Amino acid sequence: QLQQSGPGLVKPSQTLSLTCVISGDSVSSNNAAWDWIRQSPSRGLEWLGRTYYRSKWYDDSPQSVRSRVTINADTSKNQFSLQLKSVTPEDTGVYYCARDAGNGHNYPEFWGQGTPVTVSS
Amino acid sequence: EKVLTQSPATLSVSPGERVTLSCRASQSIRTYLAWFQQKPGQAPRLLIYDASTRATGIPARFSGSASGTEFTLTISSLQAEDFVVYYCQQYDNWPYTFGQGTKLEIK
Repeated sequence: QLQQSGPGLVKPSQTLSLTCVISGDSVSSNNAAWDWIRQSPSRGLEWLGRTYYRSKWYDDSPQSVRSRVTINADTSKNQFSLQLKSVTPEDTGVYYCARDAGNGHNYPEFWGQGTPVTVSS
Repeated sequence: EKVLTQSPATLSVSPGERVTLSCRASQSIRTYLAWFQQKPGQAPRLLIYDASTRATGIPARFSGSASGTEFTLTISSLQAEDFVVYYCQQYDNWPYTFGQGTKLEIK
């Protein structure tokens, strides 16, 4: 199960921070990847990035957001987080955390409940 | 980045009918395609992976197929709860991408 938390309103130019707490699994699993995906009317469903552990930590983000996205895992709390810097109103949308199906199956099988985020002053 | 184009954007059909939704990839994604269903206010739900394998608990009326870069999701007999939005997603190559979705509406 994935439980998301974080603010629903962020001011332009600030940093959006969200957390996803994992239960029933481990963020350090060697065969899972942990994703952040957002959804907006203008951009549809869009991957923001992922983190995964394969003897060491890796993270990937699409080029379109790479300079603004940080994804971190916290093994002590069994959670992972998203930070998106310098937000604009274009970053308004519903943000989801997800877990892929594992064993190299890179489609999101389990999803958090979603966090609606509005970027506005 | 591999682009997925879903068509049509909206499809008007009647309950009980059979419907086919289309997803075209801009280049080869082999069979690394998944289909999702999204109901209002909910996260997407996995229906199909590897182009044609039903996910756990998905009814048999949902099926997927592939031919080159063309993928289809077929719902054999539409139930009331099926009139929602469907997305395809490729996981052949990072960044993974989604199609823009097809909405089923009641005719």
